[in-house]
Amino acid sequence: GESVGLHLPTLSVQEGDNSIINCAYSNSASDYFIWYKQESGKGPQFIIDIRSNMDKRQGQRVTVLLNKTVKHLSLQIAATQPGDSAVYFCAENFSGNTPLVFGKGTRLSVIA
Amino acid sequence: EPEVTQTPSHQVTQMGQEVILRCVPISNHLYFYWYRQILGQKVEFLVSFYNNEISEKSEIFDDQFSVERPDGSNFTLKIRSTKLEDSAMYFCASSEARGWSNQPQHFGDGTRLSIL
Repeated sequence: GESVGLHLPTLSVQEGDNSIINCAYSNSASDYFIWYKQESGKGPQFIIDIRSNMDKRQGQRVTVLLNKTVKHLSLQIAATQPGDSAVYFCAENFSGNTPLVFGKGTRLSVIA
Repeated sequence: EPEVTQTPSHQVTQMGQEVILRCVPISNHLYFYWYRQILGQKVEFLVSFYNNEISEKSEIFDDQFSVERPDGSNFTLKIRSTKLEDSAMYFCASSEARGWSNQPQHFGDGTRLSIL
């Protein structure tokens, strides 16, 4: 039978290269966005967030870019390491502690 | 670093049986959530809980589901009569309350629920 939902977009990068993971979000009213990393058998782990009044935010080795005009979010990982291999999800919500809406996820595979 | 903890890590239950999934949110957090993730699919919201009552719930959260905060530390999800399609990873999350300021939700490692 058809394995609906088991295929994730995959990004393969060489260790040490930069990675860019993209996400198109759905709700123009969303004003808060989070990137999560999910390793096999674990829960989503918070990486970085950004509010809609910003277009860029940097963390340790990670940068999130927000383009509200086209409803696009990206996560840049500098000097990608084997430990960065995981599925990455973007999530959005608005106005306080409301439910998160998750994107489909991208599998990042780091080649040593 | 404080974390959300969930028990059990894996629960196997016969269809039609009741199951209770347990969570201990981060201690100074006041918002609690349950999400689920069917194998290979994206994470879906079930319910949020604040000030001892449900804040929001999704269409998935029907009458078979209930949540409770029985004491000052635990937050539970009960499924009264499990169905095969309830098989999934169930994640608990919590976040701080700072007025209307968005706060990140922090997730536990989940309970894998397998219905036979």
